[in-house]
Amino acid sequence: QSALTQPASVSGSPGQSITISCTGTSSDVGSYKYVSWYQQYPGKAPKLMIYDVNNRPSGISNRFSGSKSGNTASLTISGLQAEDEADYYCSSYTTSSTRVFGGGTKLTVL
Amino acid sequence: QITLKESGPTLVRPTQTLTLTCTFSGFSLTTSEVTVGWIRQPPGKALEWLAVIYWDDDKLYSPSLKSRLTITKDTSKNQVVLTMTNMDPVDTATYFCARSFSSSLTRFDPWGQGLLVTVSS
Repeated sequence: QSALTQPASVSGSPGQSITISCTGTSSDVGSYKYVSWYQQYPGKAPKLMIYDVNNRPSGISNRFSGSKSGNTASLTISGLQAEDEADYYCSSYTTSSTRVFGGGTKLTVL
Repeated sequence: QITLKESGPTLVRPTQTLTLTCTFSGFSLTTSEVTVGWIRQPPGKALEWLAVIYWDDDKLYSPSLKSRLTITKDTSKNQVVLTMTNMDPVDTATYFCARSFSSSLTRFDPWGQGLLVTVSS
């Protein structure tokens, strides 16, 4: 099972919107609604930001949103803030009933 | 409040077997749809899914590590144990456990704080 493909880095200025893509295959992202996104600060555990493609857990800002088209899922962060600077990972369920993560994207707030 | 915490050795010799314990509170692994999974992260690298155990004792493993992994649960102690055989320096990583649900298969929430395991002679 290959890791999902994410851009290594993205950047944006405060107030702007950015989108992080997560590309898989018809054996994972393309087949299920089970795509999640995690935020991770250095030295900390990941935190769930989006699950089931576009659902936000309680307490997560509505500046974070998710979507999916075909084999590619996306995380959009609007109204970028300095505190959003972190690593972001996507995850998908697979046709083998396993899970797979993306390679991670480092978000820099300029 | 739901919490999970990983415990185990922080230094393992090559070829040894690693045994990690995830002790949790605030939920039960006897509850329908609840699962607990293990994920690891080598220093400076990406997350890697390892294994999951379901409330009904179903178990699934990463295809690339399946031959080396065993996941079990002790519901009386609220613990999930992961063993990994034949450890190698490339297995050096922070190991996390996290709760999930069979109705939302990649919804890992919350996570434990993680345990850095170093494999070195």
